[in-house]
Amino acid sequence: DGGITQSPKYLFRKEGQNVTLSCEQNLNHDAMYWYRQDPGQGLRLIYYSQIVNDFQKGDIAEGYSVSREKKESFPLTVTSAQKNPTAFYLCASTTSSYNEQFFGPGTRLTVL
Amino acid sequence: GENVEQHPSTLSVQEGDSAVIKCTYSDSASNYFPWYKQELGKRPQLIIDIRSNVGEKKDQRIAVTLNKTAKHFSLHITETQPEDSAVYFCAAFSNTGRRALTFGSGTRLQVQP
Repeated sequence: DGGITQSPKYLFRKEGQNVTLSCEQNLNHDAMYWYRQDPGQGLRLIYYSQIVNDFQKGDIAEGYSVSREKKESFPLTVTSAQKNPTAFYLCASTTSSYNEQFFGPGTRLTVL
Repeated sequence: GENVEQHPSTLSVQEGDSAVIKCTYSDSASNYFPWYKQELGKRPQLIIDIRSNVGEKKDQRIAVTLNKTAKHFSLHITETQPEDSAVYFCAAFSNTGRRALTFGSGTRLQVQP
């Protein structure tokens, strides 16, 4: 499984509510990433972090926020500003020398 | 930034035939090109990758070719089997600027028994 875990597996959000998706890795990887995947679509980069306490916006960062206080953890918060958050969210990590990128099992978020 | 285009979007082949999926990229600084297979509801799984100092790489029934001059790379699957049915994504990674993968839009491969 590559040592990356995501929780929860399924998440339901009400209108106006913030929710946080967890991503943890025990691979000692430096870089971590969040992607969003809509049905039948590819992977779009939300945020990424190359080192602790630093992160950058990807292509679709609006309505999302992240933190990287520990090397092992890169949580993603979906805020109420994200108007259409229903999607499959994937976390990934890799070493700084960039070999294989490992993906977590994903969180499926649904807005009620 | 990097832009990756992938074709075709859907591909149907008979079992035992070959399948080819093609991708083009825009950033000449890109130097790592992985291919992922994603089954329905699952995470993408790396099936093969190639770096820019190599023109071709093979792993059993799967091969990837890279043409740096033309900025395109292709996935070749020979002797296809029904379990090869899935969505395949190509990606490109650049060592300059944004150090992150840019993915193609995916190809849905259906292998008919």
